[in-house]
Amino acid sequence: EDQVTQSPEALRLQEGESSSLNCSYTVSGLRGLFWYRQDPGKGPEFLFTLYSAGEEKEKERLKATLTKKESFLHITAPKPEDSATYLCAPQDTGRRALTFGSGTRLQVQP
Amino acid sequence: NAGVTQTPKFQVLKTGQSMTLQCAQDMNHNSMYWYRQDPGMGLRLIYYSASEGTTDKGEVPNGYNVSRLNKREFSLRLESAAPSQTSVYFCASSGGFTTDTQYFGPGTRLTVL
Repeated sequence: EDQVTQSPEALRLQEGESSSLNCSYTVSGLRGLFWYRQDPGKGPEFLFTLYSAGEEKEKERLKATLTKKESFLHITAPKPEDSATYLCAPQDTGRRALTFGSGTRLQVQP
Repeated sequence: NAGVTQTPKFQVLKTGQSMTLQCAQDMNHNSMYWYRQDPGMGLRLIYYSASEGTTDKGEVPNGYNVSRLNKREFSLRLESAAPSQTSVYFCASSGGFTTDTQYFGPGTRLTVL
């Protein structure tokens, strides 16, 4: 059974204080690892897809990395507008569905 | 280009009532999905449609039915609503087997009393 654990559950940062969010996963075979951002009251917004260990992708202050068992979302010099819940979702090679973690709720204070 | 749209945005039902949640996408995607999101449990797949004319059960299908009306539209029906179905429902779509990024709608917040 596919499993996903995101940590920490909640993270409070000061503006400019860099940190990392963790996504640990167990799948029989990884087809892709997806990261989404979700603002309160809205649907998840796609950020990145990573396909193989060692791959990295960047978007503004965010950088996602992937190993065989984990993915990290690094946030460099965050701003208050980066406050959101970040969701990761691995996709098993044998399944179409994504398995979502319960997310990390990030709050960036000015 | 509206992406994925859902109606209604909010709904309150009494136990035993029925309703249909509507979803439409204008991205010419083949696959569509229904998820529910509950606090602390992440998004869970209810049903999906890999292509027009096909539907399959996801992780939590009990109490729900779906219809893939055409390539654009995918509806979710609650025949006899129960308080356990109080949740936020999201519809998503993706291009297909090799383009599996799922794009989500804004959600429907459903309360069953």
